[in-house]
Amino acid sequence: GNSVTQMEGPVTLSEEAFLTINCTYTATGYPSLFWYVQYPGEGLQLLLKATKADDKGSNKGFEATYRKETTSFHLEKGSVQVSDSAVYFCALSDKDTGRRALTFGSGTRLQVQP
Amino acid sequence: ETGVTQTPRHLVMGMTNKKSLKCEQHLGHNAMYWYKQSAKKPLELMFVYNFKEQTENNSVPSRFSPECPNSSHLFLHLHTLQPEDSALYLCASSQESVYEQYFGPGTRLTVT
Repeated sequence: GNSVTQMEGPVTLSEEAFLTINCTYTATGYPSLFWYVQYPGEGLQLLLKATKADDKGSNKGFEATYRKETTSFHLEKGSVQVSDSAVYFCALSDKDTGRRALTFGSGTRLQVQP
Repeated sequence: ETGVTQTPRHLVMGMTNKKSLKCEQHLGHNAMYWYKQSAKKPLELMFVYNFKEQTENNSVPSRFSPECPNSSHLFLHLHTLQPEDSALYLCASSQESVYEQYFGPGTRLTVT
């Protein structure tokens, strides 16, 4: 079955540091890949997405590239801010199975210190 | 209102109570979802509705009863819950032809 594996958190960084959150996946078909962010007390917000191999999703300074050869979709940001402190979820949808539900990773908490 | 709204935002109920959670989406989507988010556990899919029809029930106990009267509204009826049912319940919606989901802010449920 499909699965998503994220790096364990929390990840603690100083402001303006470089961020990488690793995500690898297992899927039977050719999934679309997503990063969601959850700020304290809120629901999940779609951060970025990529629908095919070598696509790069980007939003708010965050980027992730769909790497089919390594089955990865790592999230990066060049300079984090305190306001980026949140939980980040990697997810996939396997269009080939026809199943509408997303498969989520367990989430990675990011703490950015001033 | 825009996006996906959920009411109430917080709910405290006893184990013998009956309550309902409401979700409404203003995005013109036709698929809706209930998720459960517990501390230190992955997000759990509960139910999927597509064009008002339930297409997925992820082995959810019968004390949770979903209802989808139309493509814009989704309810989760709760009765005789257990303390371990305390969690954040998230509603989401998506369009038929795409797979990204849009989430509401959630209802924080506490069962006493």
